[in-house]
Amino acid sequence: GAGVSQSPSNKVTEKGKDVELRCDPISGHTALYWYRQSLGQGLEFLIYFQGNSAPDKSGLPSDRFSAERTGGSVSTLTIQRTQQEDSAVYLCASSLVGGEETQYFGPGTRLLVL
Amino acid sequence: QKEVEQDPGPLSVPEGAIVSLNCTYSNSAFQYFMWYRQYSRKGPELLMYTYSSGNKEDGRFTAQVDKSSKYISLFIRDSQPSDSATYLCAMSVGDYKLSFGAGTTVTVRA
Repeated sequence: GAGVSQSPSNKVTEKGKDVELRCDPISGHTALYWYRQSLGQGLEFLIYFQGNSAPDKSGLPSDRFSAERTGGSVSTLTIQRTQQEDSAVYLCASSLVGGEETQYFGPGTRLLVL
Repeated sequence: QKEVEQDPGPLSVPEGAIVSLNCTYSNSAFQYFMWYRQYSRKGPELLMYTYSSGNKEDGRFTAQVDKSSKYISLFIRDSQPSDSATYLCAMSVGDYKLSFGAGTTVTVRA
């Protein structure tokens, strides 16, 4: 596609449920990133993929968070047993190879945990 | 203390005014400095990218970096209502990991 796409745009869930967030990067981009943006906070790095491997998972806040990438393309961020503090906008970005080059962001998934 | 500090505002200016935004940082290893613009309910988009101290101009936008003071700025000349957005500074040591400021929300009044 022309840009990074994410689905769903909005997700409302109940505390304790699992959610899956999807990211479709720009075609040909080998690097993919997940960020979290909470109200009044900057973007918080979660995880970095190079191809299907995740050499840096240091930003995942707890073991309830996991992510995978398949076929060097689509990525899924899974949050298990959601908590109210997980409510945020989850942004995905991709870049050509993974370095200091430009990261292109998707529109984000707005997650609300009730 | 956060690695990157940015005043969240909000900032409201009349059309045609100069908008001045800034960030300070603590990590002297940062070498690459960026400004992203984020419209409501959209993802951030790269506006300006610099890797050295000094000024860089692009149309109505000027990015300024002062590494000795660990201070970066973005100036928007002749501001337009379409410039109303949240502006995020970001920086890196030269790899993929970006450190972001909290973002400053700007409203340009017609």
